[in-house]
Amino acid sequence: DIVMTQSPDSLAVSLGERATINCKSSQSVLKSSNNKNYLAWYQQKPGQPPKLLIYWASIRGSGVPDRFSGSGSGTDFTLTISSLQAEDVAVYYCQQYYSAYTFGQGTKLEIK
Amino acid sequence: QVQLVESGGGLVKPGGSLRLSCAASGFTFSDYWMSWVRQAPGKGLECVSYMSNSGNTIYYADSVKGRFTISRDNAKNSLYLQMDSLRADDTAVYYCTRATPESDYWGRGTLVTVSS
Repeated sequence: DIVMTQSPDSLAVSLGERATINCKSSQSVLKSSNNKNYLAWYQQKPGQPPKLLIYWASIRGSGVPDRFSGSGSGTDFTLTISSLQAEDVAVYYCQQYYSAYTFGQGTKLEIK
Repeated sequence: QVQLVESGGGLVKPGGSLRLSCAASGFTFSDYWMSWVRQAPGKGLECVSYMSNSGNTIYYADSVKGRFTISRDNAKNSLYLQMDSLRADDTAVYYCTRATPESDYWGRGTLVTVSS
C-alpha cells in the first residue's frame, strides 16, 4: 500500500497569512502514460463530510476559492492557502488514487 | 444537483451484521465508480471499499476483507455495503462517495457503533 504522510500534524496561522501543508507519498503517484499525479486534497470542517479542494495535484474543484492551490509531483506535494480566512479552519487531508485509495493522517489548521 | 444519502447505520453487538445503503441522485449513477470511506471517532479517513460502474472491479481494505461486501444496483441508483462479523474497531461514520477517481461528492454519512 502507498503510505501518505502529512506535515505538520497541526498548524496555526494568522488571518491573511499564508498556510502551507505538505504531503509525501511512499512511492511515486505520477503515472507516466498520462503525466498525471494521482493526488487530491480535501477539507473537512467539524461535523461535516470532507470536501474536495484539489485533484490531479493542482486542479481546483468546483467552486473552490483561488486562494487554495496545489503543487508538486512524484512523491512530494503541497497545499497552499495564500491568505488565510476564518472559514478555512478545518482539517486537511491528502489522498492518493494511483493504487487503491489512501489518505494522509490529516493536518489541523487553526487561527493564530 | 448530485446527492448521496446513506442509511442503515446503528448500534450493533460485536459479531453482528449491518447493511448500509447509499441512494444516489442528480447524475447517471451507472457511469461512475463508487466508494465507501469511513472515519472512526476523532480519527482520519480510510477507504474500505470501492466498486467500478459495471461492478467488474472491486477493492477491499485489508481491515475489512472477508467480512464486508460491496454491491450496487444501477437500476435503483443505489450502492450497498454488507458488513458482517463486526468488531469494535469498525465503529465509525461511513461515507458514500462518487469516485472520479477522486471523491468529488460525499454523503453526510451514517454512524455505525459496534458495542456490547
